[in-house]
Amino acid sequence: QKEVEQNSGPLSVPEGAIASLNCTYSDRGSQSFFWYRQYSGKSPELIMFIYSNGDKEDGRFTAQLNKASQYVSLLIRDSQPSDSATYLCAVNYGGSQGNLIFGKGTKLSVKP
Amino acid sequence: DGGITQSPKYLFRKEGQNVTLSCEQNLNHDAMYWYRQDPGQGLRLIYYSQIVNDFQKGDIAEGYSVSREKKESFPLTVTSAQKNPTAFYLCASSIYSGVGETQYFGPGTRLLVL
Repeated sequence: QKEVEQNSGPLSVPEGAIASLNCTYSDRGSQSFFWYRQYSGKSPELIMFIYSNGDKEDGRFTAQLNKASQYVSLLIRDSQPSDSATYLCAVNYGGSQGNLIFGKGTKLSVKP
Repeated sequence: DGGITQSPKYLFRKEGQNVTLSCEQNLNHDAMYWYRQDPGQGLRLIYYSQIVNDFQKGDIAEGYSVSREKKESFPLTVTSAQKNPTAFYLCASSIYSGVGETQYFGPGTRLLVL
């Protein structure tokens, strides 16, 4: 059974702080990893994807991947109230179909 | 304006009724997907299609049906056999980026049972 685990939260951080969101996955064959942001009542929006071990930065967002530990994280620097949302981690376990397994999401609240 | 559209935004189903959710994309993506999201739950895959006239069942296909007659369109029918259809339905399409597929989502359809 392939699984993706996330702490459901809520994770509360003050405005301007770094928010750290974590995700673990069960299948060592997993090849690509995605972070989506979902505002309440809206559809998921792709923030970042990462394929290789290490860090990938895009503006205030940094994705970190450690395949040996089966761990992927998302750091949000200078958190803003507009970052308050549920963050979904998704893992592609390989194969040609491109299917993703989603975690249940971590709810982030950024307090002004 | 490229993207994925879903209609309607809200849909009400009566007992014993089949309803069809529309999903259209003009991104020229080959693959399309249908997910269901329940409160506090992750997204669960209903059906996916890699090419026209071909589709495969996902984890929770029972009570649903799909068709893929055109590359741009992937409608989902929720049949009367689906006993608990109330959920947020999300359509996605994907493009291969050299190392994997990247999925993008439409705005979703919220289905409610009367």
